[in-house]
Amino acid sequence: KAGVTQTPRYLIKTRGQQVTLSCSPISGHRSVSWYQQTPGQGLQFLFEYFSETQRNKGNFPGRFSGRQFSNSRSEMNVSTLELGDSALYLCASSLDPSGSVEQFFGPGTRLTVL
Amino acid sequence: QQQVKQSPQSLIVQKGGISIINCAYENTAFDYFPWYQQFPGKGPALLIAIRPDVSEKKEGRFTISFNKSAKQFSLHIMDSQPGDSATYFCAGESRVTGGGNKLTFGTGTQLKVEL
Repeated sequence: KAGVTQTPRYLIKTRGQQVTLSCSPISGHRSVSWYQQTPGQGLQFLFEYFSETQRNKGNFPGRFSGRQFSNSRSEMNVSTLELGDSALYLCASSLDPSGSVEQFFGPGTRLTVL
Repeated sequence: QQQVKQSPQSLIVQKGGISIINCAYENTAFDYFPWYQQFPGKGPALLIAIRPDVSEKKEGRFTISFNKSAKQFSLHIMDSQPGDSATYFCAGESRVTGGGNKLTFGTGTQLKVEL
Protein backbone atom coordinates (compact mmCIF):
# COMPACT_ATOMS: atom_id res chain seq x y z
CA LYS A 1 0.00 0.00 0.00
CA ALA A 2 1.51 3.31 -1.04
CA GLY A 3 2.14 5.82 1.73
CA VAL A 4 1.24 9.48 1.86
CA THR A 5 2.90 11.37 -0.95
CA GLN A 6 3.63 15.06 -1.05
CA THR A 7 4.74 17.19 -3.96
CA PRO A 8 6.94 18.96 -4.50
CA ARG A 9 9.52 17.84 -1.96
CA TYR A 10 11.44 21.11 -2.09
CA LEU A 11 10.39 24.58 -3.04
CA ILE A 12 12.12 27.96 -3.07
CA LYS A 13 10.02 31.10 -3.32
CA THR A 14 10.51 34.81 -2.69
CA ARG A 15 8.59 37.05 -0.32
CA GLY A 16 5.22 38.09 -1.61
CA GLN A 17 4.75 35.09 -3.88
CA GLN A 18 2.20 32.38 -3.32
CA VAL A 19 2.67 28.63 -3.24
CA THR A 20 0.53 25.51 -3.56
CA LEU A 21 1.51 22.22 -1.98
CA SER A 22 -0.10 18.90 -2.78
CA CYS A 23 -0.83 15.82 -0.71
CA SER A 24 -2.13 12.42 -1.79
CA PRO A 25 -3.37 10.38 1.18
CA ILE A 26 -3.19 6.65 1.58
CA SER A 27 -5.85 4.95 -0.49
CA GLY A 28 -9.10 4.79 1.47
CA HIS A 29 -8.13 7.50 3.94
CA ARG A 30 -10.61 10.34 3.97
CA SER A 31 -9.14 12.64 6.58
CA VAL A 32 -6.16 14.82 5.70
CA SER A 33 -4.39 17.11 8.15
CA TRP A 34 -1.65 19.63 7.51
CA TYR A 35 1.11 20.62 9.92
CA GLN A 36 3.90 23.17 9.84
CA GLN A 37 7.23 22.09 11.32
CA THR A 38 9.90 24.63 12.26
CA PRO A 39 12.90 24.38 14.60
CA GLY A 40 11.50 27.09 16.85
CA GLN A 41 7.82 26.19 17.01
CA GLY A 42 7.93 22.45 16.41
CA LEU A 43 4.93 20.77 14.80
CA GLN A 44 1.88 22.99 14.61
CA PHE A 45 -1.55 22.03 13.33
CA LEU A 46 -2.75 24.00 10.34
CA PHE A 47 -6.08 22.42 9.36
CA GLU A 48 -7.91 19.18 8.75
CA TYR A 49 -10.15 18.18 5.88
CA PHE A 50 -12.71 15.43 5.65
CA SER A 51 -15.06 14.79 2.75
CA GLU A 52 -13.95 17.98 1.02
CA THR A 53 -14.81 20.09 4.08
CA GLN A 54 -12.46 21.88 6.41
CA ARG A 55 -13.48 20.72 9.86
CA ASN A 56 -10.70 22.04 12.05
CA LYS A 57 -8.31 24.93 11.82
CA GLY A 58 -5.24 25.90 13.82
CA ASN A 59 -4.07 29.37 14.75
CA PHE A 60 -2.64 30.50 11.46
CA PRO A 61 -3.45 33.64 9.47
CA GLY A 62 -5.87 33.59 6.58
CA ARG A 63 -2.95 33.51 4.14
CA PHE A 64 -2.91 29.78 4.81
CA SER A 65 -5.73 27.96 3.11
CA GLY A 66 -6.47 24.54 1.77
CA ARG A 67 -8.93 22.34 0.04
CA GLN A 68 -9.73 18.70 -0.47
CA PHE A 69 -10.93 17.05 -3.62
CA SER A 70 -13.46 14.26 -4.06
CA ASN A 71 -10.65 11.69 -4.29
CA SER A 72 -9.38 12.91 -0.87
CA ARG A 73 -6.29 14.53 -2.33
CA SER A 74 -5.59 17.83 -0.67
CA GLU A 75 -3.79 21.03 -1.46
CA MET A 76 -2.68 23.84 0.76
CA ASN A 77 -1.97 27.35 -0.41
CA VAL A 78 0.05 30.08 1.20
CA SER A 79 -0.36 33.55 -0.24
CA THR A 80 1.85 36.60 0.19
CA LEU A 81 4.74 34.56 1.50
CA GLU A 82 6.79 35.84 4.41
CA LEU A 83 10.28 34.82 5.50
CA GLY A 84 8.75 33.17 8.56
CA ASP A 85 6.78 30.79 6.38
CA SER A 86 9.97 28.86 5.68
CA ALA A 87 9.27 25.44 7.13
CA LEU A 88 8.64 21.78 6.50
CA TYR A 89 4.98 21.32 5.66
CA LEU A 90 3.67 17.89 6.56
CA CYS A 91 0.51 16.21 5.47
CA ALA A 92 -1.03 13.34 7.41
CA SER A 93 -3.92 11.07 6.52
CA SER A 94 -6.05 8.82 8.66
CA LEU A 95 -8.71 6.21 8.04
CA ASP A 96 -11.38 7.05 10.58
CA PRO A 97 -11.53 10.65 11.70
CA SER A 98 -14.06 10.01 14.43
CA GLY A 99 -11.84 7.73 16.45
CA SER A 100 -8.33 7.98 17.76
CA VAL A 101 -6.41 6.23 15.07
CA GLU A 102 -2.97 6.61 13.67
CA GLN A 103 -2.20 9.53 11.45
CA PHE A 104 0.24 8.59 8.70
CA PHE A 105 2.60 11.36 7.72
CA GLY A 106 4.13 12.08 4.35
CA PRO A 107 7.79 13.10 3.93
CA GLY A 108 6.87 16.77 3.79
CA THR A 109 7.52 19.68 1.48
CA ARG A 110 10.49 21.83 2.46
CA LEU A 111 9.56 25.46 1.67
CA THR A 112 12.25 28.12 1.69
CA VAL A 113 11.20 31.76 1.38
CA LEU A 114 13.94 34.18 0.34
CA GLN B 1 -4.24 24.99 27.91
CA GLN B 2 -3.22 23.36 24.67
CA GLN B 3 0.49 22.94 25.37
CA VAL B 4 2.43 19.76 25.68
CA LYS B 5 5.79 20.33 27.35
CA GLN B 6 8.55 17.91 26.44
CA SER B 7 12.00 17.39 27.93
CA PRO B 8 14.88 17.08 27.44
CA GLN B 9 15.45 18.91 24.18
CA SER B 10 18.35 16.60 23.38
CA LEU B 11 19.67 13.38 24.83
CA ILE B 12 22.82 11.32 24.36
CA VAL B 13 22.75 7.71 25.53
CA GLN B 14 25.26 4.92 25.28
CA LYS B 15 24.36 1.84 23.32
CA GLY B 16 22.48 -0.56 25.55
CA GLY B 17 21.38 2.17 27.92
CA ILE B 18 17.90 3.45 28.74
CA SER B 19 16.57 6.57 27.05
CA ILE B 20 13.87 8.48 28.92
CA ILE B 21 11.83 11.34 27.50
CA ASN B 22 9.21 13.15 29.55
CA CYS B 23 6.09 15.05 28.63
CA ALA B 24 3.54 17.04 30.61
CA TYR B 25 0.20 18.33 29.45
CA GLU B 26 -2.44 20.76 30.62
CA ASN B 27 -5.45 19.99 28.45
CA THR B 28 -7.62 17.46 30.28
CA ALA B 29 -9.56 16.92 27.06
CA PHE B 30 -6.69 14.89 25.63
CA ASP B 31 -7.80 11.26 25.38
CA TYR B 32 -5.02 9.69 23.39
CA PHE B 33 -1.27 10.11 23.77
CA PRO B 34 0.92 8.97 20.87
CA TRP B 35 4.67 9.12 20.49
CA TYR B 36 6.12 9.77 17.07
CA GLN B 37 9.62 9.04 15.79
CA GLN B 38 11.12 11.15 13.02
CA PHE B 39 14.28 10.46 11.05
CA PRO B 40 15.97 13.19 9.01
CA GLY B 41 14.22 13.77 5.71
CA LYS B 42 11.19 11.76 6.76
CA GLY B 43 7.82 12.54 8.21
CA PRO B 44 6.99 11.48 11.79
CA ALA B 45 5.90 7.87 12.23
CA LEU B 46 3.79 6.52 15.08
CA LEU B 47 5.92 4.59 17.55
CA ILE B 48 3.57 3.74 20.39
CA ALA B 49 0.45 5.25 21.94
CA ILE B 50 -1.56 5.05 25.15
CA ARG B 51 -4.98 5.99 26.44
CA PRO B 52 -5.37 7.67 29.85
CA ASP B 53 -7.16 4.71 31.41
CA VAL B 54 -3.92 2.70 31.26
CA SER B 55 -0.83 3.43 33.36
CA GLU B 56 1.71 1.61 31.21
CA LYS B 57 2.04 0.18 27.73
CA LYS B 58 4.96 -1.82 26.44
CA GLU B 59 5.82 -2.73 22.87
CA GLY B 60 9.16 -4.42 22.48
CA ARG B 61 11.88 -2.11 23.80
CA PHE B 62 9.49 0.87 23.99
CA THR B 63 7.36 1.61 27.06
CA ILE B 64 5.01 4.48 27.84
CA SER B 65 4.39 5.28 31.49
CA PHE B 66 1.33 7.42 32.13
CA ASN B 67 0.40 9.34 35.29
CA LYS B 68 -3.07 10.79 34.85
CA SER B 69 -3.22 12.63 38.18
CA ALA B 70 0.09 14.38 37.48
CA LYS B 71 -0.78 14.88 33.81
CA GLN B 72 2.57 13.45 32.81
CA PHE B 73 3.74 10.66 30.58
CA SER B 74 7.09 9.37 29.50
CA LEU B 75 8.75 7.20 26.89
CA HIS B 76 11.36 4.67 27.94
CA ILE B 77 13.58 3.05 25.33
CA MET B 78 15.31 0.02 26.75
CA ASP B 79 18.57 -1.33 25.33
CA SER B 80 18.93 1.78 23.16
CA GLN B 81 20.53 1.18 19.77
CA PRO B 82 22.25 3.52 17.29
CA GLY B 83 19.30 2.95 14.96
CA ASP B 84 17.07 4.61 17.57
CA SER B 85 18.87 7.92 16.94
CA ALA B 86 16.05 10.19 15.80
CA THR B 87 13.78 12.98 17.00
CA TYR B 88 10.91 11.90 19.22
CA PHE B 89 7.68 13.82 19.66
CA CYS B 90 5.02 13.24 22.25
CA ALA B 91 1.51 14.42 21.51
CA GLY B 92 -1.95 14.72 22.96
CA GLU B 93 -5.06 14.21 20.87
CA SER B 94 -8.38 15.85 21.54
CA ARG B 95 -11.77 15.76 19.86
CA VAL B 96 -12.63 18.97 18.10
CA THR B 97 -16.02 20.64 17.77
CA GLY B 98 -17.30 19.81 14.34
CA GLY B 99 -15.79 16.37 14.30
CA GLY B 100 -12.36 14.88 13.98
CA ASN B 101 -9.34 14.96 16.17
CA LYS B 102 -6.42 17.31 16.58
CA LEU B 103 -2.89 16.43 17.62
CA THR B 104 -0.94 18.85 19.80
CA PHE B 105 2.75 18.02 19.74
CA GLY B 106 5.56 18.49 22.19
CA THR B 107 8.64 20.35 21.00
CA GLY B 108 10.64 17.21 20.29
CA THR B 109 13.71 15.44 21.70
CA GLN B 110 16.77 14.70 19.59
CA LEU B 111 18.11 11.35 20.72
CA LYS B 112 21.59 10.20 19.83
CA VAL B 113 22.70 6.71 20.78
CA GLU B 114 26.46 6.35 20.79
CA LEU B 115 28.46 3.17 20.37
